[in-house]
This record gives sequence, C-alpha cells and structure tokens, in this order.
Amino acid sequence: KAGVTQTPRYLIKTRGQQVTLSCSPISGHRSVSWYQQTPGQGLQFLFEYFSETQRNKGNFPGRFSGRQFSNSRSEMNVSTLELGDSALYLCASSPNRGQVNEQFFGPGTRLTVL
Amino acid sequence: GQQVMQIPQYQHVQEGEDFTTYCNSSTTLSNIQWYKQRPGGHPVFLIQLVKSGEVKKQKRLTFQFGEAKKNSSLHITATQTTDVGTYFCAGNSGGYQKVTFGIGTKLQVIP
Repeated sequence: KAGVTQTPRYLIKTRGQQVTLSCSPISGHRSVSWYQQTPGQGLQFLFEYFSETQRNKGNFPGRFSGRQFSNSRSEMNVSTLELGDSALYLCASSPNRGQVNEQFFGPGTRLTVL
Repeated sequence: GQQVMQIPQYQHVQEGEDFTTYCNSSTTLSNIQWYKQRPGGHPVFLIQLVKSGEVKKQKRLTFQFGEAKKNSSLHITATQTTDVGTYFCAGNSGGYQKVTFGIGTKLQVIP
C-alpha cells in the first residue's frame, strides 16, 4: 500500500498570504489528522476529519481550517499567514477500526513564512 | 484541556547504556501511543497501550502504562546508534482521534 502523501513538500510564503496544503491518506483510511510541529512546541494537534466531518479540533485560531473530500483526501488552509506559522505541517491517517488507532504520518509540508 | 508532560527533553547516552523517557498526563487516558521520529523524518508508530498496568516489550524496548492510566514510560536496554531520534508519547483521553502529544525526548547515542 502506498503511504500517506503530502503536497507540496516545501513552501515559502510571505506574511498576509494564504496557503493550502494537501494530504492523501492511505487507501481505506477514513480518519485524517493534521499537526503542526515546531522545535519549541513539539507536535500540536490542529484537527481531525472522519468521513468528511471535523470530529475534533485543537486550540488554533480560526485562520486555520480544513476539509475532507469524499475520497478521504484532506486539505488544510491557513489564511493571513504570520511569521509564527512557519513550521512542519504533518498529516496522519488512521484506519480507525478496532482498538488500535495507530496513526500513519506523511513526510510533512515545511512552510516558511517570510 | 488535557496536557501530556514528557521528560527529559534531551538525553545523551553512551552506546550500550540504558535510556528511559517518562510521560505524565493531567487526565486519565483511554490509551497511550508511542512514536519514534528519526532526524529529518516523520513520526512512526511504535506501540499502543490500553490496559491499566500494561507492560509490552519489543526486543530491547519496554513500554509501561501506569495503574492509574495517567503515566507511561519507554525504556530502552543497551542503546545502539540506530536508536537515535525523538521519542513521543501521545495520550488519547476521549473517543476517536483526539490525541495530545508530549514534547518528545530527543535521544543521542554516543558510539
């Protein structure tokens, strides 16, 4: 099975711009979660989607939004970029069946805001 | 909200020495997961613990879940250079996938 893919892998934007990141989960996985990873804060949960519905949301401002499509692919959008949004954005998919809800992470999108 | 504290943040060990990282949650967890992230890589799932007092082993790695389901530890016996990376615990206190990650412990192994 192909792993989780994320596009683009690298992105450079300037303050005030907006950005859309894409994630394709492992085939058959219906749960997709997004995380922001920075050296000082570790992995911070953004949101989780399951069957096109946002099931959980972290403590991020409304500038961060997402959606999931019927094929389970997910996108994350950040509007009005700030310098502090520079980070590695990781997407993870999960089969979300049974007791073990292991997450499979993609390689991430490294966003730099200038 | 739920907080998961993880210590230490950094650990340097001589190859062959043991290593332990600890996680402590502010709330009772339904399960806890452990992940390893190699330098430049992404987190990779190691294991999930569900039961109170559970102990699981994977070769030189031993994982424990506390009796109160609020703390957990990962112990590596006789570290090797291949163990280098950051180890994260991730606590799940609700249903579905609302997971809180610890800050991670970055392990350096000196050959």
